[in-house]
Amino acid sequence: NAGVTQTPKFQVLKTGQSMTLQCAQDMNHEYMSWYRQDPGMGLRLIHYSVGAGITDQGEVPNGYNVSRSTTEDFPLRLLSAAPSQTSVYFCASSYSLAGSYEQYFGPGTRLTVT
Amino acid sequence: DAKTTQPNSMESNEEEPVHLPCNHSTISGTDYIHWYRQLPSQGPEYVIHGLTSNVNNRMASLAIAEDRKSSTLILHRATLRDAAVYYCILRGYAGNMLTFGGGTRLMVKP
Repeated sequence: NAGVTQTPKFQVLKTGQSMTLQCAQDMNHEYMSWYRQDPGMGLRLIHYSVGAGITDQGEVPNGYNVSRSTTEDFPLRLLSAAPSQTSVYFCASSYSLAGSYEQYFGPGTRLTVT
Repeated sequence: DAKTTQPNSMESNEEEPVHLPCNHSTISGTDYIHWYRQLPSQGPEYVIHGLTSNVNNRMASLAIAEDRKSSTLILHRATLRDAAVYYCILRGYAGNMLTFGGGTRLMVKP
């Protein structure tokens, strides 16, 4: 199993540009989520999905869109990039949301918006 | 959500045991205690979790206080590779996305 994969690893955008961060998992997990991590901080939840076709907002959803058309993929779209979105983005997946299950994280995408 | 409190940083010597504390005084009876760690420039990595009893796995041990208001992650022999930020997180029985605090930055000295 590749686990959770993310592309690209690094990206530089200009203010106002849009892009999609890709996330895929091959563990047949129903639950997927996106977090951002600013320098020296913990992770904050952006959006999450409890299954194909079902998404919901997390703590910091503004400026981001998600959709979940398949179990495997959960892309994150930046609609109009802003310097405040400079961060490292992590995708995660889990077999279940129940407390007894762990989450698996991808390696991250480091995004810089100039 | 119940919150956790961890020291900002700790130091350890290589090959010595490390005890990382976590306070969670408002924990509910059905909250699981999860530990994750984040190595430099990597995504968080699951370490261990438990509910009431102490737990062991190949990476670490988790000691849970009898009243469950605190727990301790134990690395039995720290290596340089264990230098990371360690996050203690509560996860409800019914499920919720993980909420990360600041964690404890563990520094391991050779």
